[in-house]
Amino acid sequence: DQQVKQNSPSLSVQEGRISILNCDYTNSMFDYFLWYKKYPAEGPTFLISISSIKDKNEDGRFTVFLNKSAKHLSLHIVPSQPGDSAVYFCAATHTNAGKSTFGDGTTLTVKP
Amino acid sequence: DVKVTQSSRYLVKRTGEKVFLECVQDMDHENMFWYRQDPGLGLRLIYFSYDVKMKEKGDIPEGYSVSREKKERFSLILESTSTNQTSMYLCASSLWQNGEKLFFGSGTQLSVL
Repeated sequence: DQQVKQNSPSLSVQEGRISILNCDYTNSMFDYFLWYKKYPAEGPTFLISISSIKDKNEDGRFTVFLNKSAKHLSLHIVPSQPGDSAVYFCAATHTNAGKSTFGDGTTLTVKP
Repeated sequence: DVKVTQSSRYLVKRTGEKVFLECVQDMDHENMFWYRQDPGLGLRLIYFSYDVKMKEKGDIPEGYSVSREKKERFSLILESTSTNQTSMYLCASSLWQNGEKLFFGSGTQLSVL
């Protein structure tokens, strides 16, 4: 049973446009969500997070939206830049879990 | 600056060989993790540890063991490698806080022939 799903394996957008990456989860116990970015031959790096008590968190060009009733979150990147081309992983965790559950990742390509 | 160091970037082993993957963090983090990343399967948790000499099984512990003798060091052991253990292995650490972000090493690409 995959508890965190990223249904789009890949996404291609034009530079300057908005990138929207989606993530769905099934475990209602999850109360904290994170996005990581991964370049080839490097480890993932933390990008942005959101607690379940919020529905939006913004950091510069990156905004994460959380819809608890739909068990859905999304990452918006505006404007997209070629350097944003990477694999993006959604992750979820819950109080006292001590660990995160990751989605399969979405490969974002931003074309100049 | 925060750092998680994995001992090898690339390893090539033959089936049946024993492999040690070492990970060291310099952030005094309580939690340490081993994940493997495979195309289309995302990051899957093998083992994690929330204290010295403590370990917990993750989602795919079969064929692996771990050791945490010191707070800063977490080792992944493959007693007898098989071809299905060819993968990218990622070590990570975090503070002992719910939802705290993970800091990852650069990964070890293991190929088992």
